[in-house]
Order: sequence, then structure tokens, then C-alpha cells
Amino acid sequence: AQSVTQLDSQVPVFEEAPVELRCNYSSSVSVYLFWYVQYPNQGLQLLLKYLSGSTLVKGINGFEAEFNKSQTSFHLRKPSVHISDTAEYFCAVTPSGGSYIPTFGRGTSLIVHP
Amino acid sequence: DVKVTQSSRYLVKRTGEKVFLECVQDMDHENMFWYRQDPGLGLRLIYFSYDVKMKEKGDIPEGYSVSREKKERFSLILESASTNQTSMYLCASSSRDRGYKPYNEQFFGPGTRLTVL
Repeated sequence: AQSVTQLDSQVPVFEEAPVELRCNYSSSVSVYLFWYVQYPNQGLQLLLKYLSGSTLVKGINGFEAEFNKSQTSFHLRKPSVHISDTAEYFCAVTPSGGSYIPTFGRGTSLIVHP
Repeated sequence: DVKVTQSSRYLVKRTGEKVFLECVQDMDHENMFWYRQDPGLGLRLIYFSYDVKMKEKGDIPEGYSVSREKKERFSLILESASTNQTSMYLCASSSRDRGYKPYNEQFFGPGTRLTVL
């Protein structure tokens, strides 16, 4: 079984500042890792994912994340945020070996202030 | 453009009513999922289906049932709606094909906000 912990339920930040949203996971097997974003009154959409290869993954809208196997982390970063980045962000993992059911974190609300 | 659609964005029902939430995907995905989303609790899996007529319980199946008669359609049924089922319901689909580029990625519908009075 897997579990995902998003360490911050809410992250307030000023526009153009850098941001990091933290995600830690636990799993007894290899996993695939995902970050999804949910804008107000919408469904979730994929920001980026790590399946294999380079541990630094670049996604849409200038976001990137780094897979750290030893620390079982997959933190999401953006060097300069915009007001439009205000949204809920979810980290998710799925076992790489065959289950297709992701385990989601509880979400981090990113609030960008002008 | 890939698409998952849900039959209603907003729904208001009375306690005891039977409620149907419909989800349709046009990507020929094998897997389909129903989640409910509540503040502070994230997404919780209600049911999923990995093939037509197949279904598996998720973490919180009580009070819900599902139907998948066609590959593209996955319905969530609340047999007798209760106030504690007031929530946002999200449908998602994904592919099991390892040759399919967005392998294992979930595609979500816009959600149905259900209020049970």
C-alpha cells in the first residue's frame, strides 16, 4: 500500500516569488509520481509526472518537480508565480507494477497575492 | 482533444431520492473511476472499473453503486441520497496500455457538485 503526505495544506505567496509545494510518499514498491492542479470549479489536470529517467521533471506553466528516491519526496517548484497559479495542487502515486489506482495526497492550496 | 464529460455541473436533490451521475470519456480508456472530493480530505475513491461490466469497490463505497454497460460510460448511483453525500463528485479515466503515451495518467471530468437537502 502507498501513502502520500502533502506537508502544507495552504501556501500563501506573493506574485513573482518562488514557491515549493512539498510531497512525501511511502511505498514498499516502485512508484510513478504525479502532480495535478485543480483550478476553481474545475476538474484536475496533469501538471507533470515522473515514470522513469531523469529525476528532474518539467511540466506545464513553468512548474518542475524533482524525484528524490532516498528521501521519498517529489516536491513541486516554480521560480516565479503568477496570480493565475492560485489553485489546489495534488500529489499522487501509483505502483509501477500494475495497479492503476492512484493514491492522492490531501492537496495544497496555493494562494498567490498581488 | 481528450475529453471526460459529466452529465451535470450542479445538482440539487432531496433526501431519499435516487440520483444518477453520468460520466462519458472519448479516449477508449479501459479504466474509469469515481471520486468524491471534500475540503481537507482530498480525493477519495468510491468505485472503479477496469473493463465493461467490471467494477471494484474503492475506499468509500457505502451508499453508492455503479454501472458500466459500455466502455465509454461509467455511472454512479446513489440509491437513497442522504445529506452526508453532499459533495463534489469527480469522474476520471486512464489507459492500461503501456504503449499509450499518457500511460497511467488520469483524465478528469469537470466535476458535479451535488447538494442533498
